[in-house]
Amino acid sequence: RKEVEQDPGPFNVPEGATVAFNCTYSNSASQSFFWYRQDCRKEPKLLMSVYSSGNEDGRFTAQLNRASQYISLLIRDSKLSDSATYLCVVAHYGGSQGNLIFGKGTKLSVKP
Amino acid sequence: DTEVTQTPKHLVMGMTNKKSLKCEQHMGHRAMYWYKQKAKKPPELMFVYSYEKLSINESVPSRFSPECPNSSLLNLHLHALQPEDSALYLCASSPFGGPTVYEQYFGPGTRLTVT
Repeated sequence: RKEVEQDPGPFNVPEGATVAFNCTYSNSASQSFFWYRQDCRKEPKLLMSVYSSGNEDGRFTAQLNRASQYISLLIRDSKLSDSATYLCVVAHYGGSQGNLIFGKGTKLSVKP
Repeated sequence: DTEVTQTPKHLVMGMTNKKSLKCEQHMGHRAMYWYKQKAKKPPELMFVYSYEKLSINESVPSRFSPECPNSSLLNLHLHALQPEDSALYLCASSPFGGPTVYEQYFGPGTRLTVT
């Protein structure tokens, strides 16, 4: 089983739609979780951290279910500018230095 | 300001060349990272510097040589690369090093082409 798995996509949605991305992770000891977005030929940018209680930032809502090892991202009222690849990222604690494990990403295309 | 800068933006080099990629951050972050990203793939970790010491080397070939001159700077020295090394090279930084992982902030990357 891959460490971080995401819906492969692509998701093609009209403007104004609500879209949900799902992600599962295999290491139950993982402690930190993030969603990044990456535009074509650009660097990943931190979208939001994901907390156990769930968190919201404007049109974006992230949820974490530790028991199911599942993370989600909900985007409401999609905009054209939301078109990007969304990366689910899990922090891996190994020895003296932790690092991030990236999912393969889900591509979102918002159409007029 | 969550800015990580990288130079150059683009680099074309022959297989016998020696070149260096540079990364800089002024956020006081104490962990810095090099990643390699191929098209339509997620970033792949190469090296981690934590408090200016190399703490992770993900079995990267010796033709890639990292260097951390101080807490703000990170270099990646390239020598005798292969065409398959062509990729986007991303630098990232994080507030702290060590076993606890915090969010990472990425620079814009250097797009490397090896001919």
